[in-house]
Amino acid sequence: DAGVTQSPTHLIKTRGQHVTLRCSPISGHKSVSWYQQVLGQGPQFIFQYYEKEERGRGNFPDRFSARQFPNYSSELNVNALLLGDSALYLCASSSLSGPYGYTFGSGTRLTVV
Amino acid sequence: TQLLEQSPQFLSIQEGENLTVYCNSSSVFSSLQWYRQEPGEGPVLLVTVVTGGEVKKLKRLTFQFGDARKDSSLHITAAQPGDTGLYLCAEVDSSYKLIFGSGTRLLVRP
Repeated sequence: DAGVTQSPTHLIKTRGQHVTLRCSPISGHKSVSWYQQVLGQGPQFIFQYYEKEERGRGNFPDRFSARQFPNYSSELNVNALLLGDSALYLCASSSLSGPYGYTFGSGTRLTVV
Repeated sequence: TQLLEQSPQFLSIQEGENLTVYCNSSSVFSSLQWYRQEPGEGPVLLVTVVTGGEVKKLKRLTFQFGDARKDSSLHITAAQPGDTGLYLCAEVDSSYKLIFGSGTRLLVRP
């Protein structure tokens, strides 16, 4: 079975640009969560979606937005990129509405220059 | 917001040695999860502990949840190079999110 798929795996953007990251959950999983992991730190919660509705938002600026599609895949959008947005962005899916039974993808490594 | 402290931050040991890493909080955990993350990969769930005093074993890994549910430990017996990675504890903070510690980076030398 395919795991959680994230694309792209790596990308480099310039300050001020916009980026879209994509996540395909495990088949049958209706919950998708996004986390940011800065080098040397643990992941920080950004968003959770369940059944296409936003269930929670972390302490991130409005430049960060997300959505979940009818097929349960998800996109994370970041506008007006800053150097500090450089990080590994992780997507996790679950069959449950809560943060149990997470399966994480391998992440998208974003570098802002 | 609860802060999770993990110690040590970094640990380098020889293959075959035993080790323990810790996860502490000033507040009571609702439940706690342990993950291992290898370079270039996402975290992989190892265990969830819920009850104070609970002990769970996963092959050579032993997880303990403190009686007061404010601390947890992970003990690895006879570490192997394949155990190398970042060990993260995470609290289930609400109905929708995890709060992670900053992790313990383990290097097991052959």
